[in-house]
Amino acid sequence: DGGITQSPKYLFRKEGQNVTLSCEQNLNHDAMYWYRQDPGQGLRLIYYSQIVNDFQKGDIAEGYSVSREKKESFPLTVTSAQKNPTAFYLCASRLAGGNTGELFFGEGSRLTVL
Amino acid sequence: EDKVVQSPLSLVVHEGDTVTLNCSYEVTNFRSLLWYKQEKKAPTFLFMLTSSGIEKKSGRLSSILDKKELSSILNITATQTGDSAIYLCAVPNTGNQFYFGTGTSLTVIP
Repeated sequence: DGGITQSPKYLFRKEGQNVTLSCEQNLNHDAMYWYRQDPGQGLRLIYYSQIVNDFQKGDIAEGYSVSREKKESFPLTVTSAQKNPTAFYLCASRLAGGNTGELFFGEGSRLTVL
Repeated sequence: EDKVVQSPLSLVVHEGDTVTLNCSYEVTNFRSLLWYKQEKKAPTFLFMLTSSGIEKKSGRLSSILDKKELSSILNITATQTGDSAIYLCAVPNTGNQFYFGTGTSLTVIP
């Protein structure tokens, strides 16, 4: 079945550690996105990528890094520089171009910093 | 600055009630507005609206866009407990960044 797979679903991290969240899609979508969701704040854009080997910062990119070496993969690294990393992280994808096409979401990864 | 605002932030109703959720936006070069339902994890797509005044309908859910007022409403009639969720509104800008509102948390009591 086509879709977006995020892993791990739950992750615990000690302060000062970097962690990488995986996002893989087999929808042949060009664009991929990472959002952070906190209670009462909706979804905030961290990074997005419209094509392979290119990505742009969103509104809250500080303390995060991404890569887009393959069309189907867009991993997110939460670095130790991110001051408040405990959150729910959602990866999404869509066909690029035009004004049609909704975002498809993965099931999310919940990161807790101990 | 592009932004999307949803109201109310939360709503508690009884089964059978009708609810109206609001979304207003200020996004440069508006093209479309999308509604999503989020129950536990992944938001699921409900509607995409591009033309003003044309209602989109799916079962008990319907939505309409008003480009003059820069807003959209999502109506749910004869609510059921399964409608309990967070409802999200999103608007893409010309750079294909999708701006989301804070969401409306709907709780339907049996």
